[in-house]
Amino acid sequence: RKEVEQDPGPFNVPEGATVAFNCTYSNSASQSFFWYRQDCRKEPKLLMSVYSSGNEDGRFTAQLNRASQYISLLIRDSKLSDSATYLCVVNGNYGGSQGNLIFGKGTKLSVKP
Amino acid sequence: DTGVSQDPRHKITKRGQNVTFRCDPISEHNRLYWYRQTLGQGPEFLTYFQNEAQLEKSRLLSDRFSAERPKGSFSTLEIQRTEQGDSAMYLCASSTGTDTQYFGPGTRLTVL
Repeated sequence: RKEVEQDPGPFNVPEGATVAFNCTYSNSASQSFFWYRQDCRKEPKLLMSVYSSGNEDGRFTAQLNRASQYISLLIRDSKLSDSATYLCVVNGNYGGSQGNLIFGKGTKLSVKP
Repeated sequence: DTGVSQDPRHKITKRGQNVTFRCDPISEHNRLYWYRQTLGQGPEFLTYFQNEAQLEKSRLLSDRFSAERPKGSFSTLEIQRTEQGDSAMYLCASSTGTDTQYFGPGTRLTVL
């Protein structure tokens, strides 16, 4: 089983739609969780960290369910500029101090006019 | 620009040649990471430095790969005797010891 699994998509949605991405991780000792965004042929950029209580940043909402080892990202009122690949990321150092990041394969989103 | 920089941005080489990439992290960042990304995959961890010490290596980092960070500032990643399977984007990231890693633009390697 892959350490971080995501539906690769693509998700093709109209502008203004709400879209949700899901991700599961295999190691219950994982402590830090993130969503990164990657545009075509560009580097990944941090979109938001994910906290147990859930967190929101404008149109983006992230949720973490530790019991189910499940992470989600909700994008409301999609914009054309949201078109990108969304990477679910887990911190790989289970001892507590920072280590490498473990990435899912990414979910591709295409927002159409 | 005070972000992570990488050089070169693109490298085309023939199988069997050696290549070296450079990464300059954000200046106050003491941690530096190398990742590799192939088409359709997320980045995969290769190795990690804290200051000049190489603290972790992935099993992906075969003996043809070596990384250094001699003065705790910039880092180099060398691949010896390149193979076609080494073709990928090589990404460098840096951090201050918080969880947020900031990535450079990457070096795209093509091995012919």
